[in-house]
Amino acid sequence: IAGITQAPTSQILAAGRRMTLRCTQDMRHNAMYWYRQDLGLGLRLIHYSNTAGTTGKGEVPDGYSVSRANTDDFPLTLASAVPSQTSVYFCASSGTGASDTQYFGPGTRLTVL
Amino acid sequence: GQNIDQPTEMTATEGAIVQINCTYQTSGFNGLFWYQQHAGEAPTFLSYNVLDGLEEKGRFSSFLSRSKGYSYLLLKELQMKDSASYLCAVRDSNYQLIWGAGTKLIIKP
Repeated sequence: IAGITQAPTSQILAAGRRMTLRCTQDMRHNAMYWYRQDLGLGLRLIHYSNTAGTTGKGEVPDGYSVSRANTDDFPLTLASAVPSQTSVYFCASSGTGASDTQYFGPGTRLTVL
Repeated sequence: GQNIDQPTEMTATEGAIVQINCTYQTSGFNGLFWYQQHAGEAPTFLSYNVLDGLEEKGRFSSFLSRSKGYSYLLLKELQMKDSASYLCAVRDSNYQLIWGAGTKLIIKP
């Protein structure tokens, strides 16, 4: 693994189903993030984690949950998907300094029908 | 509230220079980032400014004025591969990045 990986690449999901998006990084970054990106809107933070064992809510957390059991993995779960959760989801990681850059995974394109 | 403003779309000619502006109003300021995002791909880091002035990196330069809440990204000697969206983001007092909606740059031959 080099950098950040996300799985799946894309998914079509029926409304009401549960779905977990996976994210793994090998850069030993303490901080990890989940964003959604919708046309015409900036990246919006869903949840974040500053270090293993801690998580926090971002701008649009409703309907999503995360866990951070170790440094490398940061899965995002949709407990009961709704069509408004159709979006492109990006996972990112960084160090925790003010100048530390966020590095992004390739994204997951999710469609909820 | 927090707000980052960028033009939605700009068009420029191959070989020319283009300036993409970004204005911001955020709760606190801990630096401003520019990212490039090609269609269907992830954002990639271009530049970081925390002090006023110009940072130059090859064909790309970024300027910051903290007193005016203003930054710009300057792209010189434009190439077709520079066609992409350019995202401005500010790190706020909570050390979270607040993102603009991005500027789609179209390069014409």
